[in-house]
Amino acid sequence: AQSVTQLGSHVSVSEGALVLLRCNYSSSVPPYLFWYVQYPNQGLQLLLKYTTGATLVKGINGFEAEFKKSETSFHLTKPSAHMSDAAEYFCAVSDRPSGTYKYIFGTGTRLKVLA
Amino acid sequence: GAVVSQHPSRVICKSGTSVKIECRSLDFQATTMFWYRQFPKKSLMLMATSNEGSKATYEQGVEKDKFLINHASLTLSTLTVTSAHPEDSSFYICSLTGLNTEAFFGQGTRLTVV
Repeated sequence: AQSVTQLGSHVSVSEGALVLLRCNYSSSVPPYLFWYVQYPNQGLQLLLKYTTGATLVKGINGFEAEFKKSETSFHLTKPSAHMSDAAEYFCAVSDRPSGTYKYIFGTGTRLKVLA
Repeated sequence: GAVVSQHPSRVICKSGTSVKIECRSLDFQATTMFWYRQFPKKSLMLMATSNEGSKATYEQGVEKDKFLINHASLTLSTLTVTSAHPEDSSFYICSLTGLNTEAFFGQGTRLTVV
């Protein structure tokens, strides 16, 4: 069985500050991990994904995440927050790199960027 | 990424009526489609999974007679909420995948039942 825990349902940062959104997973098989962003009343957009290979993954809009097997974590970071980063972020895990199997989503973290 | 079109984006209907939501893949063949429901300030709850030409597989607790899913082709899946009630009001999102692709999501449909 797989599960995802996102610590902190709400995170506030100042514009220009570091963004850190936490995600821990549980999986009995090698996991495939994803971060999605959702803007109000819209669907989910893929930010980045880890399947195999390099554990530091770079995504769109300056985001990156590092897969740490020993810590069962896949935290999302961005060096400098921008106002447009304000949104809901979801971490997800799958046991397959493709989407042919359902994803398990975390409960989401709402990011607020303060001017 | 792939383009997924979900329609309508918003719909208001009267209690007791049925509403159909369409999800189309515009540029790839979607072998598997997922329908999610999202409650306010909550995560996505998987409702059902459908493969083209097969009956949908519903998650525990989801009424298959109330939420009818049709995956008639590799580019189209529909979700029909039958005899809608106010408690069915929610945000519904479809997700499509092809062979060896990650999931691509529709823009979502805000359903309000009055």
